[in-house]
Amino acid sequence: DVKVTQSSRYLVKRTGEKVFLECVQDMDHENMFWYRQDPGLGLRLIYFSYDVKMKEKGDIPEGYSVSREKKERFSLILESASTNQTSMYLCASSLLGTEWGQPQHFGDGTRLSIL
Amino acid sequence: AQTVTQSQPEMSVQEAETVTLSCTYDTSESDYYLFWYKQPPSRQMILVIRQEAYKQQNATENRFSVNFQKAAKSFSLKISDSQLGDAAMYFCAYRSAGAQKLVFGQGTRLTINP
Repeated sequence: DVKVTQSSRYLVKRTGEKVFLECVQDMDHENMFWYRQDPGLGLRLIYFSYDVKMKEKGDIPEGYSVSREKKERFSLILESASTNQTSMYLCASSLLGTEWGQPQHFGDGTRLSIL
Repeated sequence: AQTVTQSQPEMSVQEAETVTLSCTYDTSESDYYLFWYKQPPSRQMILVIRQEAYKQQNATENRFSVNFQKAAKSFSLKISDSQLGDAAMYFCAYRSAGAQKLVFGQGTRLTINP
C-alpha cells in the first residue's frame, strides 16, 4: 500500500513564524500535492510538483512556498505565518500520467493553528 | 476553469438504508475523470470510486455505485445498505484528462444513525 506520511498531526505556531510542513511518500510517485481543507470550501490546491525541483502554483499559492529536493519529500513553507493560514493541510501523491488509473493518495493531514 | 459543486453540506441515513450524495460539475471538456473520496473521522482521505467520462456504464464498487449523467454534468454517489463505518465526509472531485491535479467539491458530511 502507498504510504504518505505527514510529519505532524497537530502544530501550533505564532504569527510571523516561518513554518515547515513535511510530507514523505514511499511509492516513488512523481506527483506530490499540497492542499488546505476548510469547512464549506472543500480542498483547495496550494502547490503541486511533478518532479524533483519542479513546482506549479495551484489555486491559492499566496503566502506559501514549496520545496522538492528529493523525489519522496515535498515540503510546504509558510514564509511568515498569519492567522488566516490556520487550517487543515493535506499532502497527496500520485503517479505521473493522464490515464484514469492514477488516483491521489493522501496523508493523515496536519491541523495547523496560528496564534 | 472547472468547478465542482456539492449542494448538500450534511446528510443522514438510517443504518441499512440507501443514501444518495449529489455532485454537479462545470466543464467545457469532453474527456475527464470523476472521483468520490471518503474522509472518515480519522482523517485519511481514501478513494471510493472513479468514473471515466467516455464510459457510459456507471461504475460500481460493492455497495457504492454512481449515477453519471454526462449531459447534465451530474455525478451522484449511491451507498446501499449503509453501515456505521460509512460515516465520513465525502468529496466529489474532477480531473481533466490531460491534467494531474484534482478539483474538489465542498464536501458532504454523512451521518449514519443506528
